[in-house]
Amino acid sequence: GENVGLHLPTLSVQEGDNSIINCAYSNSASDYFIWYKQESGKGPQFIIDIRSNMDKRQGQRVTVLLNKTVKHLSLQIAATQPGDSAVYFCAENIPPYKYIFGTGTRLKVLA
Amino acid sequence: DTAVSQTPKYLVTQMGNDKSIKCEQNLGHDTMYWYKQDSKKFLKIMFSYNNKELIINETVPNRFSPKSPDKAHLNLHINSLELGDSAVYFCASSPGPRVRTYNEQFFGPGTRLTVL
Repeated sequence: GENVGLHLPTLSVQEGDNSIINCAYSNSASDYFIWYKQESGKGPQFIIDIRSNMDKRQGQRVTVLLNKTVKHLSLQIAATQPGDSAVYFCAENIPPYKYIFGTGTRLKVLA
Repeated sequence: DTAVSQTPKYLVTQMGNDKSIKCEQNLGHDTMYWYKQDSKKFLKIMFSYNNKELIINETVPNRFSPKSPDKAHLNLHINSLELGDSAVYFCASSPGPRVRTYNEQFFGPGTRLTVL
């Protein structure tokens, strides 16, 4: 499943499928990008990050892709599990202190 | 072993009251933040402090006054509460530029403020 994150859209995927969550960022000066996961009733938690001198970074079951030409970031989650259900945010950082969060995407994992 | 803690978790109050939210981090970080999350989950930075000094103040009404008594604490005081202040407020911290250039943020559990 794939979605563009504006106005908190919802992405529904079957358990075991791959998920792709997209994010458009705004500032050319942004030098560092972070994906956060926010579960219900909790604060955002760090998932993975990428610096502007990279275009891909992989973690455990997650991959972040960065396209600076079109100011686009994506988060890929492999073999999506029920525990992945949450709201996902991208954040752009203009070092050292300025962080701008995207509008978020709600991921629902269907059993 | 809570890294970033906030109190209270829930706050229900009448319009016009004054209230405070406290935040503490035990990570030894230099930089702390306050964010407001509205009902549509939009997260907006309000303030940033580095080593007790105000760095960012994002066009927040002056009814909101942050205070950092030391590097580990950043409290938020709100005067004359309005209905539109109802939201979830998150505190966060990061190591800061003295430690490294690229810093992810560590968020607290949030304080849900309801103004009646």
